Amino acid sequence: DAKTTQPPSMDCAEGRAANLPCNHSTISGNEYVYWYRQIHSQGPQYIIHGLKNNETNEMASLIITEDRKSSTLILPHATLRDTAVYYCIVRVPPGGGADGLTFGKGTHLIIQP
Amino acid sequence: DTGVSQDPRHKITKRGQNVTFRCDPISEHNRLYWYRQTLGQGPEFLTYFQNEAQLEKSRLLSDRFSAERPKGSFSTLEIQRTEQGDSAMYLCASSLTSGLDTQYFGPGTRLTVL
Repeated sequence: DAKTTQPPSMDCAEGRAANLPCNHSTISGNEYVYWYRQIHSQGPQYIIHGLKNNETNEMASLIITEDRKSSTLILPHATLRDTAVYYCIVRVPPGGGADGLTFGKGTHLIIQP
Repeated sequence: DTGVSQDPRHKITKRGQNVTFRCDPISEHNRLYWYRQTLGQGPEFLTYFQNEAQLEKSRLLSDRFSAERPKGSFSTLEIQRTEQGDSAMYLCASSLTSGLDTQYFGPGTRLTVL
């Protein structure tokens, strides 16, 4: 079973920041938080990952709470092309256990024009 | 670096036929993964290879499924005696076993079993 909880769907206006929450209250100390997204009929696309510090790259920012039990993915200026299903995944580093990713159902983010 | 590629992109077959899919990983990626995704669900892990060795198989990988990676580069996934329940998107991903082993996915092969 997936170890994360996400809202099934969210709307966001184009040009605004999209904030996608994820609950991972049973996360272990060595587990990382990964985010992927999947645009309709395409393979999942890696977005960002983090352990306990906030992270930012060209696609998004990841904010992880101090207790690491939840995180938020932020798309700073959402565009219509950001409409996709967003998956929050927790996993151990390679060699620490099962290496396949465990996807839940994700959050279907719909960007409204 | 052209990304992970999969072939074919779409396959329609009749129940009982065998099908084979191919995945070409990102060059120099030594890990290769197969996932299956049914409509409305997230991808489900099937199996993975490190170089040519198949190191893990999910319980989802029934006896009718077999995967190979003979030279540690491309991989094939074969489904024998297909059933309608095998209809799904089959996704391949690859990663480099250094650092955090981030997996990069291909576009998938959509299988329809009639």
